[in-house]
Amino acid sequence: EDQVTQSPEALRLQEGESSSLNCSYTVSGLRGLFWYRQDPGKGPEFLFTLYSAGEEKEKERLKATLTKKESFLHITAPKPEDSATYLCAVQDWEAQTGANNLFFGTGTRLTVIP
Amino acid sequence: NAGVTQTPKFQVLKTGQSMTLQCAQDMNHNSMYWYRQDPGMGLRLIYYSASEGTTDKGEVPNGYNVSRLNKREFSLRLESAAPSQTSVYFCASSDRLAVYEQYFGPGTRLTVT
Repeated sequence: EDQVTQSPEALRLQEGESSSLNCSYTVSGLRGLFWYRQDPGKGPEFLFTLYSAGEEKEKERLKATLTKKESFLHITAPKPEDSATYLCAVQDWEAQTGANNLFFGTGTRLTVIP
Repeated sequence: NAGVTQTPKFQVLKTGQSMTLQCAQDMNHNSMYWYRQDPGMGLRLIYYSASEGTTDKGEVPNGYNVSRLNKREFSLRLESAAPSQTSVYFCASSDRLAVYEQYFGPGTRLTVT
């Protein structure tokens, strides 16, 4: 069964303390992997799309990488304003039906302490 | 440029009542989606509309209906609300179907008692 698992569930960092969030996936035919940021009481905000193993994308203090089985969201020298829940989503393609499906993980709740 | 807007922000219903959640986007996107988000579960797709005039079921469509009123607007209707439909509902849009760089609205928090 297709699955997206994010770890850890929650992460507390001191301001400036770099770390990584993990998104592992098992899908039959990966079409794309997406990272979103969600602030409390708000809708998810798109961050990155990764399409193939080895691809990397950067935005300010965030860098997303992709391998064949997982993606990492690296946060360098985080600031309190980086506190949010980070969601990973995986798009797969079913060869038999031609359907595109999107599966979301449950997220990692990041807290950056000043 | 408001992006994706949703109304209402909060709603409390009694079991068996009906209501419609409204969604509108001003980005000229072709595709629109309705999701629900529950604690401990990822976002789950309820219905989607690839383009104006078409709608299709997602992962969890039971108990819901949708209408793509025009290119801008996509509504979600609960005909007879049940406590299991207590959730946060998000509308999203994208340039076209299966382009999952989606833009989400702020959500509607629905409680069914």
